[in-house]
Amino acid sequence: DTAVSQTPKYLVTQMGNDKSIKCEQNLGHDTMYWYKQDSKKFLKIMFSYNNKELIINETVPNRFSPKSPDKAHLNLHINSLELGDSAVYFCASSLRGQGGNTGELFFGEGSRLTVL
Amino acid sequence: SQKIEQNSEALNIQEGKTATLTCNYTNYSPAYLQWYRQDPGRGPVFLLLIRENEKEKRKERLKVTFDTTLKQSLFHITASQPADSATYLCALVSSGSARQLTFGSGTQLTVLP
Repeated sequence: DTAVSQTPKYLVTQMGNDKSIKCEQNLGHDTMYWYKQDSKKFLKIMFSYNNKELIINETVPNRFSPKSPDKAHLNLHINSLELGDSAVYFCASSLRGQGGNTGELFFGEGSRLTVL
Repeated sequence: SQKIEQNSEALNIQEGKTATLTCNYTNYSPAYLQWYRQDPGRGPVFLLLIRENEKEKRKERLKVTFDTTLKQSLFHITASQPADSATYLCALVSSGSARQLTFGSGTQLTVLP
């Protein structure tokens, strides 16, 4: 069974379109994340949710909106796609321990978004 | 500003040798540091975690050191194999309130047969 699964794996779309990426984890973790990895392989956090509540919201355009229907799911919706949004988006999950410590992250396989 | 730098973008070594990767950070007070491995087209996979009060951690052929005075972590792979070829990422968890994991840019290791 895949621990953190995200769909779709590949997404090719035109500028201006709206798209969603879904993520599910079956590890019983309480915290989920979205990371963006650009062409230089730099992995940057976008959002973090703990028990369905937003706890980290880095400086990303308002066009990106995360939604967590329950603590096992964290979806990412992107409006009005731009060329610069092309990247690989990774979902991850972890257990949030005492003092808010972040344990090891379990990553999905990534969703490669190409905006034409 | 806060920075996490990994010593080089790419590192080539001969099979059987020890690979040493460096992670330097500035303007962080890390609670702990993690190392991940990423293969092409895959998500990062956790390898080791070391806390600020630990000097060294080992797991099989892997060894991590953490020097909070030098603000540096070293990641060693002994008796390297071609299968160790991958990108290795270090990540810091700040001791601040956010406790988020911030990644370095990674070092691509190639072990030559």
